Amino acid sequence: KAGVTQTPRYLIKTRGQQVTLSCSPISGHRSVSWYQQTPGQGLQFLFEYFSETQRNKGNFPGRFSGRQFSNSRSEMNVSTLELGDSALYLCASSLALSGGGGTDTQYFGPGTRLTVL
Amino acid sequence: SQQGEEDPQALSIQEGENATMNCSYKTSINNLQWYRQNSGRGLVHLILIRSNEREKHSGRLRVTLDTSKKSSSLLITASRAADTASYFCATAGAGGTSYGKLTFGQGTILTVHP
Repeated sequence: KAGVTQTPRYLIKTRGQQVTLSCSPISGHRSVSWYQQTPGQGLQFLFEYFSETQRNKGNFPGRFSGRQFSNSRSEMNVSTLELGDSALYLCASSLALSGGGGTDTQYFGPGTRLTVL
Repeated sequence: SQQGEEDPQALSIQEGENATMNCSYKTSINNLQWYRQNSGRGLVHLILIRSNEREKHSGRLRVTLDTSKKSSSLLITASRAADTASYFCATAGAGGTSYGKLTFGQGTILTVHP
Protein backbone atom coordinates (compact mmCIF):
# COMPACT_ATOMS: atom_id res chain seq x y z
CA LYS A 1 0.00 0.00 0.00
CA ALA A 2 1.14 3.50 -0.69
CA GLY A 3 1.93 5.58 2.36
CA VAL A 4 0.50 8.91 3.40
CA THR A 5 1.23 11.58 0.84
CA GLN A 6 1.30 15.32 1.37
CA THR A 7 1.42 18.09 -1.18
CA PRO A 8 3.14 20.36 -1.69
CA ARG A 9 6.34 19.40 0.09
CA TYR A 10 7.60 22.97 0.34
CA LEU A 11 5.83 26.30 0.32
CA ILE A 12 6.98 29.88 0.66
CA LYS A 13 4.36 32.50 1.40
CA THR A 14 4.29 36.06 2.66
CA ARG A 15 2.51 37.41 5.70
CA GLY A 16 -1.19 37.94 5.21
CA GLN A 17 -1.56 35.32 2.49
CA GLN A 18 -3.45 32.08 2.90
CA VAL A 19 -2.34 28.54 2.17
CA THR A 20 -3.94 25.16 1.59
CA LEU A 21 -2.14 21.91 2.29
CA SER A 22 -3.30 18.53 1.11
CA CYS A 23 -3.05 15.06 2.61
CA SER A 24 -3.96 11.70 1.09
CA PRO A 25 -4.22 8.96 3.70
CA ILE A 26 -3.33 5.32 3.32
CA SER A 27 -6.05 3.53 1.40
CA GLY A 28 -8.75 2.34 3.78
CA HIS A 29 -7.77 4.68 6.60
CA ARG A 30 -10.66 6.78 7.78
CA SER A 31 -9.08 9.12 10.31
CA VAL A 32 -6.73 11.95 9.42
CA SER A 33 -4.93 14.04 12.01
CA TRP A 34 -2.84 17.17 11.47
CA TYR A 35 0.14 18.37 13.48
CA GLN A 36 2.39 21.41 13.49
CA GLN A 37 6.06 20.98 14.31
CA THR A 38 8.27 23.92 15.25
CA PRO A 39 11.64 24.06 17.02
CA GLY A 40 10.15 26.01 19.90
CA GLN A 41 6.83 24.25 20.51
CA GLY A 42 7.63 20.80 19.18
CA LEU A 43 4.85 18.65 17.76
CA GLN A 44 1.38 19.98 18.43
CA PHE A 45 -1.98 18.55 17.47
CA LEU A 46 -4.11 20.71 15.20
CA PHE A 47 -7.25 18.66 14.49
CA GLU A 48 -8.63 15.30 13.49
CA TYR A 49 -11.20 14.33 10.88
CA PHE A 50 -13.22 11.17 10.56
CA SER A 51 -15.98 10.57 8.02
CA GLU A 52 -15.82 14.19 6.90
CA THR A 53 -16.39 15.45 10.46
CA GLN A 54 -13.96 17.25 12.71
CA ARG A 55 -14.00 15.28 15.94
CA ASN A 56 -11.17 16.91 17.80
CA LYS A 57 -9.34 20.20 17.75
CA GLY A 58 -6.15 21.44 19.34
CA ASN A 59 -5.45 24.82 20.81
CA PHE A 60 -4.92 26.83 17.65
CA PRO A 61 -6.61 30.04 16.47
CA GLY A 62 -9.50 29.97 14.05
CA ARG A 63 -7.15 30.89 11.20
CA PHE A 64 -6.36 27.19 11.10
CA SER A 65 -9.10 25.13 9.55
CA GLY A 66 -9.49 21.87 7.73
CA ARG A 67 -11.85 19.54 6.01
CA GLN A 68 -12.11 15.96 4.90
CA PHE A 69 -13.62 14.65 1.72
CA SER A 70 -15.68 11.52 1.15
CA ASN A 71 -12.56 9.65 -0.05
CA SER A 72 -10.87 10.51 3.29
CA ARG A 73 -8.45 12.95 1.67
CA SER A 74 -7.99 16.00 3.83
CA GLU A 75 -6.95 19.59 3.44
CA MET A 76 -5.92 22.16 5.96
CA ASN A 77 -6.05 25.88 5.41
CA VAL A 78 -4.25 28.68 7.17
CA SER A 79 -5.54 32.17 6.51
CA THR A 80 -3.82 35.48 7.19
CA LEU A 81 -0.42 33.90 7.59
CA GLU A 82 1.89 35.09 10.33
CA LEU A 83 5.64 34.64 10.64
CA GLY A 84 5.06 32.22 13.51
CA ASP A 85 3.16 29.87 11.22
CA SER A 86 6.44 28.81 9.64
CA ALA A 87 6.63 25.13 10.48
CA LEU A 88 6.58 21.58 9.28
CA TYR A 89 2.97 20.49 8.92
CA LEU A 90 2.43 16.77 9.26
CA CYS A 91 -0.63 14.72 8.60
CA ALA A 92 -1.20 11.22 9.84
CA SER A 93 -3.79 8.62 9.03
CA SER A 94 -5.12 5.72 11.03
CA LEU A 95 -7.51 2.88 10.40
CA ALA A 96 -10.07 3.81 13.09
CA LEU A 97 -12.12 0.72 12.19
CA SER A 98 -14.36 0.96 15.21
CA GLY A 99 -14.51 4.71 14.95
CA GLY A 100 -12.17 4.98 17.87
CA GLY A 101 -9.65 7.75 17.95
CA GLY A 102 -6.58 7.58 20.04
CA THR A 103 -6.23 3.84 20.12
CA ASP A 104 -4.73 3.34 16.71
CA THR A 105 -1.27 3.61 15.30
CA GLN A 106 -0.87 6.77 13.27
CA TYR A 107 1.10 6.74 10.04
CA PHE A 108 2.68 10.01 9.10
CA GLY A 109 3.32 11.64 5.77
CA PRO A 110 6.60 13.38 4.88
CA GLY A 111 5.21 16.79 5.81
CA THR A 112 4.85 20.16 4.15
CA ARG A 113 7.45 22.71 5.12
CA LEU A 114 5.86 26.13 5.15
CA THR A 115 7.99 29.24 5.29
CA VAL A 116 6.29 32.58 5.88
CA LEU A 117 8.30 35.66 4.93
CA SER B 1 1.42 21.94 25.44
CA GLN B 2 3.58 18.85 25.70
CA GLN B 3 2.37 15.84 27.63
CA GLY B 4 5.64 15.29 29.37
CA GLU B 5 9.33 15.13 29.11
CA GLU B 6 11.90 12.96 27.46
CA ASP B 7 15.24 12.25 28.94
CA PRO B 8 17.94 12.72 27.88
CA GLN B 9 17.45 15.52 25.37
CA ALA B 10 20.50 14.30 23.48
CA LEU B 11 22.42 11.05 23.51
CA SER B 12 25.70 10.29 21.76
CA ILE B 13 27.01 6.71 21.60
CA GLN B 14 29.24 4.43 19.56
CA GLU B 15 27.99 1.84 17.13
CA GLY B 16 27.24 -1.41 18.88
CA GLU B 17 26.27 0.20 22.17
CA ASN B 18 22.77 0.25 23.59
CA ALA B 19 20.71 3.43 23.73
CA THR B 20 18.04 4.06 26.35
CA MET B 21 15.55 6.90 26.20
CA ASN B 22 12.97 7.73 28.83
CA CYS B 23 9.61 9.40 28.59
CA SER B 24 7.31 10.70 31.31
CA TYR B 25 3.71 11.79 30.89
CA LYS B 26 1.07 13.43 33.01
CA THR B 27 -2.40 12.05 32.35
CA SER B 28 -4.04 8.65 31.97
CA ILE B 29 -3.41 7.01 28.64
CA ASN B 30 -4.88 4.41 26.33
CA ASN B 31 -1.51 3.67 24.75
CA LEU B 32 1.95 5.09 24.26
CA GLN B 33 3.74 5.11 20.92
CA TRP B 34 7.35 5.70 19.95
CA TYR B 35 8.33 7.38 16.70
CA ARG B 36 11.56 8.15 14.91
CA GLN B 37 12.21 11.24 12.79
CA ASN B 38 15.15 11.72 10.51
CA SER B 39 16.28 15.30 10.02
CA GLY B 40 12.97 17.17 9.79
CA ARG B 41 11.16 14.56 7.77
CA GLY B 42 8.00 12.62 8.56
CA LEU B 43 7.68 10.43 11.62
CA VAL B 44 8.16 6.69 11.38
CA HIS B 45 6.16 4.56 13.79
CA LEU B 46 8.31 2.20 15.84
CA ILE B 47 6.15 0.53 18.43
CA LEU B 48 2.86 0.89 20.32
CA ILE B 49 2.36 -0.32 23.87
CA ARG B 50 -1.07 -0.38 25.45
CA SER B 51 -1.79 0.77 28.98
CA ASN B 52 -2.35 -2.82 30.15
CA GLU B 53 1.02 -3.98 28.81
CA ARG B 54 4.31 -3.68 30.65
CA GLU B 55 6.86 -4.61 28.03
CA LYS B 56 7.01 -5.05 24.29
CA HIS B 57 9.72 -6.06 21.85
CA SER B 58 10.21 -5.44 18.16
CA GLY B 59 13.51 -6.46 16.62
CA ARG B 60 16.24 -4.48 18.38
CA LEU B 61 13.67 -2.36 20.21
CA ARG B 62 12.38 -2.94 23.71
CA VAL B 63 9.76 -0.70 25.27
CA THR B 64 8.60 -0.71 28.84
CA LEU B 65 5.64 1.06 30.37
CA ASP B 66 5.03 1.82 34.03
CA THR B 67 1.61 3.39 34.36
CA SER B 68 1.99 3.84 38.12
CA LYS B 69 4.98 6.09 37.49
CA LYS B 70 3.60 7.44 34.23
CA SER B 71 6.79 6.64 32.44
CA SER B 72 8.12 4.62 29.54
CA SER B 73 11.51 3.71 28.20
CA LEU B 74 12.80 2.77 24.77
CA LEU B 75 15.89 0.61 24.51
CA ILE B 76 17.68 0.19 21.19
CA THR B 77 20.21 -2.62 21.35
CA ALA B 78 23.35 -2.90 19.24
CA SER B 79 22.92 0.59 17.78
CA ARG B 80 23.90 1.36 14.21
CA ALA B 81 24.84 4.62 12.54
CA ALA B 82 21.52 4.42 10.68
CA ASP B 83 19.71 4.72 14.04
CA THR B 84 20.84 8.36 14.24
CA ALA B 85 17.58 10.33 14.47
CA SER B 86 15.23 12.06 16.85
CA TYR B 87 13.00 9.78 18.90
CA PHE B 88 9.64 10.85 20.24
CA CYS B 89 7.20 9.28 22.62
CA ALA B 90 3.56 10.09 22.09
CA THR B 91 0.58 9.30 24.27
CA ALA B 92 -2.95 8.58 23.20
CA GLY B 93 -5.58 9.36 25.78
CA ALA B 94 -8.80 7.53 26.45
CA GLY B 95 -12.25 8.68 25.54
CA GLY B 96 -13.83 10.83 22.90
CA THR B 97 -11.81 13.92 23.65
CA SER B 98 -8.75 12.06 22.47
CA TYR B 99 -9.96 11.28 18.99
CA GLY B 100 -6.96 11.18 16.67
CA LYS B 101 -4.80 13.10 19.10
CA LEU B 102 -1.30 12.11 20.04
CA THR B 103 0.52 14.25 22.60
CA PHE B 104 4.25 14.28 21.97
CA GLY B 105 7.25 14.70 24.17
CA GLN B 106 10.10 17.00 23.16
CA GLY B 107 12.15 14.14 21.79
CA THR B 108 15.61 12.71 22.26
CA ILE B 109 18.27 13.35 19.64
CA LEU B 110 20.30 10.16 19.24
CA THR B 111 23.66 10.24 17.47
CA VAL B 112 25.39 6.93 16.79
CA HIS B 113 29.03 7.27 15.77
CA PRO B 114 30.47 4.67 13.39
